[in-house]
Amino acid sequence: VQLVESGGGLVQSGGSLRLSCAVSGFTFSRYWMSWVRQAPGKGLEWVANIKQDGSETNYVDSVKGRFTISRDNAKNSLYLQMNNLRAEDTAVYFCGRGGSYPSYWGRGTLVTVSS
Amino acid sequence: EIVMTQSPATLSVSTGEGASLSCRASQSVRSNLAWYQQKPGQAPRLLIYDVSTRDTGIPARFSGSGSGTEFTLTISSLQSEDFAYYYCQQFNSWPWTLGQGTKVEIK
Repeated sequence: VQLVESGGGLVQSGGSLRLSCAVSGFTFSRYWMSWVRQAPGKGLEWVANIKQDGSETNYVDSVKGRFTISRDNAKNSLYLQMNNLRAEDTAVYFCGRGGSYPSYWGRGTLVTVSS
Repeated sequence: EIVMTQSPATLSVSTGEGASLSCRASQSVRSNLAWYQQKPGQAPRLLIYDVSTRDTGIPARFSGSGSGTEFTLTISSLQSEDFAYYYCQQFNSWPWTLGQGTKVEIK
């Protein structure tokens, strides 16, 4: 099982980024998936999760209306579209296999929002 | 939103000793509680879910207990690889929330 995040980087406040999570080693379409973030030196925060077929999504209030989680089961990929980024979105973003308690995680991708 | 509070913030333990980490929820999460271990620069590692079920490959020295609002992670005999941060997480009510973490350090 492998999950590999990409797409992080430095962006100005108000800008956009699209994170990707490429998975392998398991049947992607059978699992809920999650994005969890960790600000520098801080704890973990659940950002969003998505059902196997993409028909159900959940977001933490702080990102609602700005972030969109999606998936492409044909490409074994999970995405997080992040718009109108704020300084407080600066964090390492992890993708995880599972909607409630992921047992497999990627190594994370760093998003830095400069004000 | 359910607030998860962990104590203590830091626990100093010698190798071979036991450790108990506490987690309190601001309202009942029933048995929908998980524990993670995280080392600096690494992803979280799922240790326990549903309060007391160890994930695949997790050593038996890790155990979880509790229900409702009070939970405990017990490490029976700390090994060198166990010094890390530990987080509890509720998945009873969205948004899933985690405690602020307990750092287990070498005494």
